[in-house]
Amino acid sequence: EPEVTQTPSHQVTQMGQEVILRCVPISNHLYFYWYRQILGQKVEFLVSFYNNEISEKSEIFDDQFSVERPDGSNFTLKIRSTKLEDSAMYFCASRALVGLNQPQHFGDGTRLSIL
Amino acid sequence: DAKTTQPNSMESNEEEPVHLPCNHSTISGTDYIHWYRQLPSQGPEYVIHGLTSNVNNRMASLAIAEDRKSSTLILHRATLRDAAVYYCILNRDDKIIFGKGTRLHILP
Repeated sequence: EPEVTQTPSHQVTQMGQEVILRCVPISNHLYFYWYRQILGQKVEFLVSFYNNEISEKSEIFDDQFSVERPDGSNFTLKIRSTKLEDSAMYFCASRALVGLNQPQHFGDGTRLSIL
Repeated sequence: DAKTTQPNSMESNEEEPVHLPCNHSTISGTDYIHWYRQLPSQGPEYVIHGLTSNVNNRMASLAIAEDRKSSTLILHRATLRDAAVYYCILNRDDKIIFGKGTRLHILP
């Protein structure tokens, strides 16, 4: 069964450094998402992306965050200058084009640790 | 955001059916009911979704009340692998908002 893959599984970065989290969505999917989950807390929506532009973003997704689909397969989340509070699991998701209520398929996440 | 209410936790014995309830009294006519689960150290996993009629798939069944203000996720025969947090979500405008979900414990 096709799946969403995320790399790396664990990223350790110094505070203030830039970090890029990578995702390969399911190949025929055209809607892409990023979520984060701080340890012990709820999964929080960050951003949705379709047709090479952001469809919706949450309050968390401020100017320090950006997303990109640099080629036909990858979908990336960049944090420009990381803060301690950015430490969390980051999940990528994708869904098929057809039908607004198609389910989202999630990767297993990247654990981001900011030192 | 459309709100759902679920018990914080539930327990079930292995190989027995599990009924996970969800209340969504403010559901609107176009909201789909989605269920996801999150196993330890994994990303959320889609389980099932429906609009008005009951739904079955290989993972579970979804029973939706006639007034759509509540629904029940049914795992027909729980295994230890079903221990997870189960999220009941109203999908409105392609937006998934996760609550705290129900933590399901399976007793061997």
